[in-house]
Amino acid sequence: DGGITQSPKYLFRKEGQNVTLSCEQNLNHDAMYWYRQDPGQGLRLIYYSQIVNDFQKGDIAEGYSVSREKKESFPLTVTSAQKNPTAFYLCASRQMGAAGAQHFGDGTRLSIL
Amino acid sequence: DAKTTQPTSMDCAEGRAANLPCNHSTISGNEYVYWYRQIHSQGPQYIIHGLKNNETNEMASLIITEDRKSSTLILPHATLRDTAVYYCIVRVAHGSSNTGKLIFGQGTTLQVKP
Repeated sequence: DGGITQSPKYLFRKEGQNVTLSCEQNLNHDAMYWYRQDPGQGLRLIYYSQIVNDFQKGDIAEGYSVSREKKESFPLTVTSAQKNPTAFYLCASRQMGAAGAQHFGDGTRLSIL
Repeated sequence: DAKTTQPTSMDCAEGRAANLPCNHSTISGNEYVYWYRQIHSQGPQYIIHGLKNNETNEMASLIITEDRKSSTLILPHATLRDTAVYYCIVRVAHGSSNTGKLIFGQGTTLQVKP
């Protein structure tokens, strides 16, 4: 089945540690997105990429980094500079050039030890 | 992107149609209306989208008023599994400046009751 796979489902970070969240899609979509969701809140955009080897900051990029070396993969690193990383992280993808809808993975829940 | 207004919560009896309204009075001519839903601890699920014509798929129907200032998502026969938060989002779909970013508001919490 085509879709978006995020891993792990749950992740724990120690103080001062960087952690990387995986996002893979086999939908052949050009664009990929990372959102953060806090309890009872809507989604906020962290980073997005519309083409391989290119990405742009979203609304809350500080403390995060991404790479887009392959079309199907868009990993997100939560660095130690992100002081409040506890949240639900969602990856999405969509086909560019149309009214294509974004399709989401099932998310990664990150907590601080 | 235009803002949307939705009721905070709604109830619906199982087996009945669920009609979820959304106001988007500042919508522009090139903005589409998208509907998503989110079940607790899962990623948002795409439901349907439209520009000005009514749309129907296997999940739902989308009715957009002629002036496009509001729309209604219809789940024809609601089940307990349709209990979720439903988001109405307006977004420009074309153009080089289109990042595709979705702005999620608070949505409508739909509770389907037995």
